[in-house]
Amino acid sequence: DTAVSQTPKYLVTQMGNDKSIKCEQNLGHDTMYWYKQDSKKFLKIMFSYNNKELIINETVPNRFSPKSPDKAHLNLHINSLELGDSAVYFCASSQPAGAPTDTQYFGPGTRLTVL
Amino acid sequence: AQSVTQLGSHVSVSEGALVLLRCNYSSSVPPYLFWYVQYPNQGLQLLLKYTSAATLVKGINGFEAEFKKSETSFHLTKPSAHMSDAAEYFCAVRVAGGYNKLIFGAGTRLAVHP
Repeated sequence: DTAVSQTPKYLVTQMGNDKSIKCEQNLGHDTMYWYKQDSKKFLKIMFSYNNKELIINETVPNRFSPKSPDKAHLNLHINSLELGDSAVYFCASSQPAGAPTDTQYFGPGTRLTVL
Repeated sequence: AQSVTQLGSHVSVSEGALVLLRCNYSSSVPPYLFWYVQYPNQGLQLLLKYTSAATLVKGINGFEAEFKKSETSFHLTKPSAHMSDAAEYFCAVRVAGGYNKLIFGAGTRLAVHP
């Protein structure tokens, strides 16, 4: 009964390729997030969607495009991959800010390696 | 702007010893503060959170943290370390203004040796 799942767990690809990471949550949450964790373990939010609407959009290259087909899914598509995109990408979900329990629950991460 | 600073990127303790992981925050409004733990090759798990109720917050796995406004601190402690506590620990602050946006500290790696 995985609460927040991501696929794939590992992704190795060449520079210039386009790839997608998928995220699904079965917690009934309205809000989902994408975070990037670099090689120094620094964790930074990239995007957030609430009920399929984009609500947080940090300073991220246009090559990154999130898509939320429904509130249980938030996918991340990356075009023209660069070496600097190598990182672990975490998906998370929560109830909306201000809800009685708005704790963020994290997925297991997708380790992306760009060669 | 709100931020958190974790003092010490690596902390090493003996099994059974006190664990103290330091976090200082910067915020012009009363902050919501969090501690998350990341075990190797896993996602983050919430240990505890402070949301302006009691200043001493108890979390899972025997951890607790005390909010001290005068010191702008939210240090994480555990009286007796277990080998299983070895992990990366992140302090975070929620950005005021909605949307549940978290700003994380750089993390502290806790090593526990026999």
